[in-house]
Amino acid sequence: SQTIHQWPATLVQPVGSPLSLECTVEGTSNPNLYWYRQAAGRGLQLLFYSVGIGQISSEVPQNLSASRPQDRQFILSSKKLLLSDSGFYLCAWGNLEGSPLHFGNGTRLTVT
Amino acid sequence: AQKITQTQPGMFVQEKEAVTLDCTYDTSDPSYGLFWYKQPSSGEMIFLIYQGSYDQQNATEGRYSLNFQKARKSANLVISASQLGDSAMYFCAMRAYNNNDMRFGAGTRLTVKP
Repeated sequence: SQTIHQWPATLVQPVGSPLSLECTVEGTSNPNLYWYRQAAGRGLQLLFYSVGIGQISSEVPQNLSASRPQDRQFILSSKKLLLSDSGFYLCAWGNLEGSPLHFGNGTRLTVT
Repeated sequence: AQKITQTQPGMFVQEKEAVTLDCTYDTSDPSYGLFWYKQPSSGEMIFLIYQGSYDQQNATEGRYSLNFQKARKSANLVISASQLGDSAMYFCAMRAYNNNDMRFGAGTRLTVKP
C-alpha cells in the first residue's frame, strides 16, 4: 500500500533562517507531488507541484522553492524565512485522473 | 483558471440531522473531478467523496453524498445522520483532467451539536 511521510511535524524557526521540509512517498512510482500551505483557519494554497524528477511548477511567487531530486522525494526550501511563511505545510501525492490526492500529516511551521 | 467557492464559513447542525455544505466551481475544462475532504483539528486531510464531471449519477459514500448539478456548477456535500465526530473543517476541491493541480475552496467549519 502507498504511504506518505512528511517531517518534521512541528518546527519553530527564527526570521532569516533557512528551511528544509521533506516529503517521501512509498508504494507507488512516478507520482505527482504537491506542496500546499494553509494559514490558520483558512483554505489550502497550492505552492508547488511536480510531475517528475526535476520538474517543478510554481504557483505562487515567494521566497520558497521546491525540488524533486528523486522520484518519490519532494523538498520544500527557503534560504531566509519571513514571518509570513508561518503556517501549516502539507505534502500530497496523486497520479491517476479522477483519483484524490493523498496527504501527509503536515508540518506546522512557526517563524519567530 | 479554476476557482472553488465555499460561501459558508461556519455551519451548525443538530446531532442525527442532515446538513448540506455548499460548493460552486468555475472552470473552462470539459473534464474534471470534484472532491470533498474533511480536516479534523489534528490537521490531517481525509478524502471523503469524488464526483467525475461525466458521471451521470450523484456519488455516495456511506453517510456522504454529493449533490452534483453540472449546469449550475455546484457540488454540494450532504452529510446524513450527523455525528459529533463530524465536527471539522470541510473542503471542496477540483482537479481538471488535463491539469495536474488540485484547487481548494476556503472551507466550511461544521459543528455538530449534541
